[in-house]
Amino acid sequence: IAGITQAPTSQILAAGRRMTLRCTQDMRHNAMYWYRQDLGLGLRLIHYSNTAGTTGKGEVPDGYSVSRANTDDFPLTLASAVPSQTSVYFCASSSLGLPNTGELFFGEGSRLTVL
Amino acid sequence: AQRVTQPEKLLSVFKGAPVELKCNYSYSGSPELFWYVQYSRQRLQLLLRHISRESIKGFTADLNKGETSFHLKKPFAQEEDSAMYYCAPHLPNYSGGSNYKLTFGKGTLLTVNP
Repeated sequence: IAGITQAPTSQILAAGRRMTLRCTQDMRHNAMYWYRQDLGLGLRLIHYSNTAGTTGKGEVPDGYSVSRANTDDFPLTLASAVPSQTSVYFCASSSLGLPNTGELFFGEGSRLTVL
Repeated sequence: AQRVTQPEKLLSVFKGAPVELKCNYSYSGSPELFWYVQYSRQRLQLLLRHISRESIKGFTADLNKGETSFHLKKPFAQEEDSAMYYCAPHLPNYSGGSNYKLTFGKGTLLTVNP
């Protein structure tokens, strides 16, 4: 059972470079999410998608963009990376979208370091 | 303003001792409430949700509407309980977008010592 797969698991990136974090789920969940996890700040929602073809902004969307061309994939793009985007990024999905998400299923995370 | 508060960043107890991880939220309604756990080198996973009223791995959590709290408790902690715990209520999204969002607390790192 794969669930949610994220890639890459770890990446070091020069500031100013473009980077796309990939996320794929095989559970046919309607909703998908991107969170960043920072020490002392917990998990913060970046962007979400309630269903294929729609996206929405979370708590900290600036500097990030997403797309949801199909049910399974939800890539997160940093157009021009900055050091403050150094973080661990988690993709998640749920069978229902906001407001009643039910249980979230998480990927293993992508550790991104921007120098 | 912080809308979900986990006051302890770190909590250390001895094996067999009771443990309580606190969670308070700012909302007058009745949100759906969750606790998520992240064990070392593992992905985040659901521990329990208040609507199901289950006891998972010996943990329980009671919603106190008067105190707007959803504390996680276990009477006898085990070493394998050592992990990061996140309280996550559904709260209205005042910053726009969808009406509600799953709001994670900053987390409490629980260490159970032998």
